[in-house]
Order: sequence, then structure tokens, then C-alpha cells
Amino acid sequence: DIQMTQSPSSVSASVGDRVTITCRASQGISSPLAWYQQKPGKAPKLLVYSASSLQSGVPSRFSGSGSGTDFTLTISSLQPEDFATYYCQQANSFPPTFGGGTKVEIK
Amino acid sequence: QVQLLQSDAEVKKPGASVKVSCKASGYTFTSHYIHWVRQAPGQGLDWMGLINPDGGGTSYASNFHGRVTLTRDTSTSTVYMVLSSLRPEDTAVYYCARPSTPYSSSSALFDHWGQGTLVTVSS
Repeated sequence: DIQMTQSPSSVSASVGDRVTITCRASQGISSPLAWYQQKPGKAPKLLVYSASSLQSGVPSRFSGSGSGTDFTLTISSLQPEDFATYYCQQANSFPPTFGGGTKVEIK
Repeated sequence: QVQLLQSDAEVKKPGASVKVSCKASGYTFTSHYIHWVRQAPGQGLDWMGLINPDGGGTSYASNFHGRVTLTRDTSTSTVYMVLSSLRPEDTAVYYCARPSTPYSSSSALFDHWGQGTLVTVSS
């Protein structure tokens, strides 16, 4: 199975800050890399697919980049509604696997 | 609009089985595979398996060692997940999820999720 390692596991930030989350795959993967946002008690929400494509309705302050084994999710200007846990996921090969999550907390 | 509506929370004893349902609406039921993902309290997301509603073919994660069974009822657009031989460590929220790409067994980017079903395993 492909292991997905996220860092950091948590980050404290203020409204307006730029936040970057990284995800490293244990082997090279092609474009099926997704980022999800999850708020407490809710299901994950797809933010980014194919590493850099923004899901419909997702604010443009979110962006994804990367290829091969290293990927990033960036929030350009953190908003109050962005405090949540973020997960990366690879769908390059079965089984699909998720990173351990990054919790974005209020500073 | 696409909706996946899951059954209510369950409390089970160790060794028992649980059956969780996921009723789909707002799209053609047989057009998209349905996957199951679980999340233990405070933990990450683990993929469990998938079912093709058009035909019933399934694929499961190896780490469940044959304890997971997925079935579907096309007359009610419902997918069922049965987890047997429950252990306390199976306590988790179980989600059904639909990938964005139709008619694809390899598509596993999920744009629609059920609301989750909490299964608690305790003696």
C-alpha cells in the first residue's frame, strides 16, 4: 500500500495567515491526489483533486500543487471557517490511502 | 441533488455483527461505485472497500480479513455494509462515499459522502 505522510500534524495560525500543508507519498503517484477538509462531527469535504484542480464551489484561497511524491495544500489567507482538519488522499493505486491529517487551529 | 443517507448509530457487543445502510438519491444509482471509509475516534480515514451497484461486484481492504461484506439493493438504491466479529477497536464512524467519476472501478476521489454512522463496540 502507498503510505501518505502529512506534516505538520497540527498548526496554529491567525486569521489572514498563509498556511501550507505538505503530503509525501511513499512512492511516486500520478495526478489522482486529493485534499479534503473535515470539521468536527462532519464528513470530509473534497477541496482539491488531481493535485491542483479546485472542486466546484471551493474558495480560490485554497490551492494545491505538487507531483511525484511531494504535494502541498496552501490556504493563502486563512478565514475563520477554515479552522478544520485537512487530509490528503492518493487514488493512484488500490487501496486508496489517506494521510494522517493536519489540524489547523486558532492561534 | 446527490445525497447519501446513512442509518442511525449502533451499539454492539464484541463478537456481534453490525449492518449499516447507505441510501442514495439524486442520481442514477448504478452509475457510480460506492466506497466505505471508517474513522476511529480522533483518528484518520481508512478505506474499507467498494461495491459496484451495477452487478454487485466488490473489493475489500485486506486488513479487515474477510470481516466486511458489501451488498446492494437496486430496488431501493441502498448499499449495505456488514462488519462481523466486532472488536472494541472497531468503534468508529463509518462513511459511505461516492467517487466523482461514474462507471469506474479505479476512481476513488470522493465528492459526495454520507453523514456517517457511529458504531460503538462495548461489552
